[in-house]
Order: sequence, then C-alpha cells, then structure tokens
Amino acid sequence: QSALTQPASVSGSPGQSITISCTGTSSDIGGYNYVSWYQQHPGKAPKLMIYDVSNRPSGVSNRFSGSKSGNTASLTISGLQAEDEADYYCSSYTSSSTGYVFGTGTKVTVL
Amino acid sequence: EVQLVESGGVVVQPGGSLRLSCAASGFTFDDYTMHWVRQAPGKGLEWVSLISWDGGSTYYADSVKGRFTISRDNSKNSLYLQMNSLRTEDTALYYCAKTGDTAYYFDYWGQGTLVTVSS
Repeated sequence: QSALTQPASVSGSPGQSITISCTGTSSDIGGYNYVSWYQQHPGKAPKLMIYDVSNRPSGVSNRFSGSKSGNTASLTISGLQAEDEADYYCSSYTSSSTGYVFGTGTKVTVL
Repeated sequence: EVQLVESGGVVVQPGGSLRLSCAASGFTFDDYTMHWVRQAPGKGLEWVSLISWDGGSTYYADSVKGRFTISRDNSKNSLYLQMNSLRTEDTALYYCAKTGDTAYYFDYWGQGTLVTVSS
C-alpha cells in the first residue's frame, strides 16, 4: 500500500491561512469518509486534530478544519500561530489492505 | 485520563525476535480496537497492525505480514507485538494507539518504544 501524497512543506506568516493537501485513491480517501489528521511536534507523539474528514475532537482549536473532494483531502489552519509549527500527517482507512495508510507528512513553518 | 505506555524496545540483531508491550489505563480497554504504528528515524508514520476488541480479527501491513503478530490480554489491559525475523528496515519508534469512538482514527497515542535492528 503506497503512502498518501502530501506536500513536503508549507509555510505562512502569523495570522494567515494555509492548506495542506493529501491525495490518495478510490480505495482510500475517495472511497470512505475516514480521513484523519495528526499534528506532531519534534520528539512528541502524534496528536489527533481532525477525524472522519471534518470533525474536531474536543480541545482542538476551531482554527483547524478539514474537507474532502474526490480522492483529495485537505487540512486548513486559519489564523496561523507560532505553536502550529509542526509536522502534519493525514491518514485514511484503505480497502486495499483492510488497514490504514498515512500520508508522507508536511512540515509547516510559521515565518 | 487515557494512558498508553509502551515497553520492550531494545537493540537486536537482524533475524532476531522481540516482544513489545503496551499497558493501557483510563478507559475500558476491551471496548476498543487497538493499533501499532511505527516511525523510522526522521521519517513518516507507518501503520503496522490492528487487533479487534476481542482479539478475533487482526490485520497487518504488507511490510510485516508473516513476521509480526499482534495480540492482547484484556484481563491485563495490555497489547502486544511479537516481532520475528527482524530486518534493519524495522528500526523505528513503535507507538501503541487507541481507536476512536467512531472507529476509523487514532485518538490516543503512547510515547513510543524504540526498536533498533543492527549488527
């Protein structure tokens, strides 16, 4: 199972909005509304930010939002803050291995 | 408070075996599917395996199928990963992760245990 495709890096200035894309296939992102997003700071465990495409867990800022169109999912961070600087990974259920697949990861830099 | 604490990571030679453990607390362990996810040094996340709440269903990534075995002991609130025929490419931080309430995501993660496969 190949990893989902994400841009290697995305950057923005404080207060701006950025969007991270995550492209898969009809066997994963396109076939199910089971996309999730994770934030990982250096040396830390991943943290769930979005689940089931667009749902935010309790405690996650409403500056984070998710969407999906066809085989591509997106994570938008609005009002970018210094603390948002981290690596971000998408994930999806996949029928090709009856398991899960992660994205290649995107490093977000706050300028 | 949900806690997941992994243990068992060491340095092992290629071809060797290892058993990882994950101690869970703060939730009803036998209500949830559990996962192992790994991250090679400086690399991205890779899903490894899952086990259903009762241990009746297990699934594996192609990269570990036939070499790794996931299991659980609900009486001890513990998850395990038996790793055999280890390869250098299995070197990674191994995370234990809990499935979310609506099933298809990982809502809590441990801090990971490091497995190094090297001669």
